[in-house]
Amino acid sequence: GENVEQHPSTLSVQEGDSAVIKCTYSDSASNYFPWYKQELGKRPQLIIDIRSNVGEKKDQRIAVTLNKTAKHFSLHITETQPEDSAVYFCAASMDRDDKIIFGKGTRLHILP
Amino acid sequence: DSGVTQTPKHLITATGQRVTLRCSPRSGDLSVYWYQQSLDQGLQFLIQYYNGEERAKGNILERFSAQQFPDLHSELNLSSLELGDSALYFCASSPSGVHQETQYFGPGTRLLVL
Repeated sequence: GENVEQHPSTLSVQEGDSAVIKCTYSDSASNYFPWYKQELGKRPQLIIDIRSNVGEKKDQRIAVTLNKTAKHFSLHITETQPEDSAVYFCAASMDRDDKIIFGKGTRLHILP
Repeated sequence: DSGVTQTPKHLITATGQRVTLRCSPRSGDLSVYWYQQSLDQGLQFLIQYYNGEERAKGNILERFSAQQFPDLHSELNLSSLELGDSALYFCASSPSGVHQETQYFGPGTRLLVL
């Protein structure tokens, strides 16, 4: 089955700098890649997603890139702010079922 | 607030016991998903129901079972509980069960097995 690896597990960046979180997936049939943000004690919330027919998608300070050949995708957060501190999960799923396989998460700390 | 509700918020029980977690999806959503979140395993997909029928199964133990009722709420039953079952259990819902829709998560039920 699908396996999603996520790196790093913890990331600290200075406020205002950029943060990058990387994920790889194993099943080339995966074609939908959502990213979820989970603040401390709260539920995961979708922040951005990308489908395999595009290579990049942006939403204000957040962007996601996808390299289908290499089977990896990344989340980029620019001009980081204190409210970006959270755990971020990448995930992958494929057309044939509704399972979403999550990475183990990256704890992002924004330093003042 | 996603519109997905889960009860109870917290649950403390003993090994060997059985508990039931309840989830009400967003109004109009037909699909319900259950996830287990533990510290070392991240978010693990357990099972999905669509309009009352089981649609997809993940890493759900045989001691665990779920169902979705005609009013679309869902229950996750955990039996013969072990210490390792302590985790946060989330349910999520999506509108029509069409593949790869956004899933909206509930606030979770924190289960502690002593």
